[in-house]
Amino acid sequence: DAMVIQNPRYQVTQFGKPVTLSCSQTLNHNVMYWYQQKSSQAPKLLFHYYDKDFNNEADTPDNFQSRRPNTSFCFLDIRSPGLGDAAMYLCATSPWKGGGTDTQYFGPGTRLTVL
Amino acid sequence: QQQVKQSPQSLIVQKGGISIINCAYENTAFDYFPWYQQFPGKGPALLIAIRPDVSEKKEGRFTISFNKSAKQFSLHIMDSQPGDSATYFCAARYSGAGSYQLTFGKGTKLSVIP
Repeated sequence: DAMVIQNPRYQVTQFGKPVTLSCSQTLNHNVMYWYQQKSSQAPKLLFHYYDKDFNNEADTPDNFQSRRPNTSFCFLDIRSPGLGDAAMYLCATSPWKGGGTDTQYFGPGTRLTVL
Repeated sequence: QQQVKQSPQSLIVQKGGISIINCAYENTAFDYFPWYQQFPGKGPALLIAIRPDVSEKKEGRFTISFNKSAKQFSLHIMDSQPGDSATYFCAARYSGAGSYQLTFGKGTKLSVIP
């Protein structure tokens, strides 16, 4: 089945220790998004890629970086995780057709714990 | 302008009852309105969605009602079941330059009690 896959599902890191979360998709969508979701809140968009074009949200901290080496894969790098970065990180994808009835399709998420 | 207001924040419904969640928006540039269902520890899953030129869409027990003039839309879950207990997010899509941007409501935590 075509899907969005996130690894690992659970990640524990130490305060200040860099961590990388990965996302892959078999949907062949040209847009990939990274969201942060804290408990009982809506997902908050961090950035997205349209093909290789990177689009950062204005309020995304510099501590968060992303890489997209090819259509299928996208990575979220947190350079120096703080306690406030503990959250669920969601990857989503969408095609781009300029309208129509498509939307974003989410992966299962990676739960990040910062000790 | 970019907000989507969702209510109620939480909802308790008895099994077999009707669950109703309401959303309102301001930005008329939104062009598609999906609803997502999220279980604890999982990613949001697309449940049902509607275009603004349609007043109602039904899929099984789930119905979206859309009122374009009032800029409001709602999700109705008929014959609610305990397995429907989850958090529901309404969203509004903006088709930008090369991506679909979603503005989410704050979510409604639904509990269906037997």
